[in-house]
Amino acid sequence: NAGVMQNPRHLVRRRGQEARLRCSPMKGHSHVYWYRQLPEEGLKFMVYLQKENIIDESGMPKERFSAEFPKEGPSILRIQQVVRGDSAAYFCASSPLDRGPYEQYFGPGTRLTVT
Amino acid sequence: GENVEQHPSTLSVQEGDSAVIKCTYSDSASNYFPWYKQELGKRPQLIIDIRSNVGEKKDQRIAVTLNKTAKHFSLHITETQPEDSAVYFCAATPWGNNRLAFGKGNQVVVIP
Repeated sequence: NAGVMQNPRHLVRRRGQEARLRCSPMKGHSHVYWYRQLPEEGLKFMVYLQKENIIDESGMPKERFSAEFPKEGPSILRIQQVVRGDSAAYFCASSPLDRGPYEQYFGPGTRLTVT
Repeated sequence: GENVEQHPSTLSVQEGDSAVIKCTYSDSASNYFPWYKQELGKRPQLIIDIRSNVGEKKDQRIAVTLNKTAKHFSLHITETQPEDSAVYFCAATPWGNNRLAFGKGNQVVVIP
């Protein structure tokens, strides 16, 4: 049973470009969460999605950030017009249908560097 | 929202000794408390969790204790080994909430 998959693992973007981060949850998991981790900081919740639904996006910046989890394919976190302050590690996590927000298993993360 | 704090920020222990990390939380409605271990450059890994209906849970060398009255919970690692060296994050979430609120992490260094 493959774990949570994220790609790319490392992403370099120039200021003003777009960043697309992908997350495939564990098999059988229907809940996806995105977190951001700044250097030497804890993980900060961004958004919680189920298939075709954004359940809670209260942690997402109001501008430039969006997320989706389509019926088919991975969940995508999209950052438009990136700025240096977006440089961070972005982790997604998934949990099983019957566990709700509990037992979240994390992917390896995407390390975004904005130059 | 929930606010989680961890103490101490860095902990050094001799191999074979025990390590204890304590977290405090602010929301009395929180009822789920997981601990994650993150090695340098790796993903956070769920190592143990506890729900508010129990006071202690143990898994081999790792245990977690919960004091709901004082709103704190602790991770205990016994017989520490070099591979226990990592950053440990605690988290909390209230029932019906969708997110985990994480502490800033504790760096544990096991000295051989």
